[in-house]
Amino acid sequence: DAGVIQSPRHEVTEMGQEVTLRCKPISGHNSLFWYRQTMMRGLELLIYFNNNVPIDDSGMPEDRFSAKMPNASFSTLKIQPSEPRDSAVYFCASSLTNYGYTFGSGTRLTVV
Amino acid sequence: AQSVTQPDIHITVSEGASLELRCNYSYGATPYLFWYVQSPGQGLQLLLKYFSGDTLVQGIKGFEAEFKRSQSSFNLRKPSVHWSDAAEYFCAVGSSGGYQKVTFGTGTKLQVIP
Repeated sequence: DAGVIQSPRHEVTEMGQEVTLRCKPISGHNSLFWYRQTMMRGLELLIYFNNNVPIDDSGMPEDRFSAKMPNASFSTLKIQPSEPRDSAVYFCASSLTNYGYTFGSGTRLTVV
Repeated sequence: AQSVTQPDIHITVSEGASLELRCNYSYGATPYLFWYVQSPGQGLQLLLKYFSGDTLVQGIKGFEAEFKRSQSSFNLRKPSVHWSDAAEYFCAVGSSGGYQKVTFGTGTKLQVIP
């Protein structure tokens, strides 16, 4: 298995632009998570999907952030418009019911 | 609400020395506990997990952790550290209910010196 695949690995964008991060979870996993990691705030859970349905999006910072999971093999996290304070590493993780997340390698987002 | 405290931000050990990374959790019931490791530029990798049963859990790369309910602790240990163990280590706690929300600690950065 190729693991959790995230794209792009790095993204540099200008403030105000739309950014879309992509994630392909491990086949057969029924849960998907989006995390953000910064030096100041550590790892923050943004949103959690179970069987493609958003269960908890209380960690999404504001309306500029949105996430979708149209099918079991693909999810996106979109930021529109992006701001410099959104700069962070964004991780996608997937798991089966018995926990033990598998993380992707992350997308390093820089908003200038 | 569940929470995790990793009191040591940074630890330096000599190669070959033993290691213990501390983790304290707060959770109202029996927790699910995890240790993850993150190498620079990489995602987090699961080292080991505790759900129930034997309180001493063996993981990958020679790591083990012991669940102590009386101390609300889940410390990570390794008898002899290798230079390749230099990384950041995260303790995490999850709920035993149906919702798989996992809360991570702030991490402990391990430096290994020759």
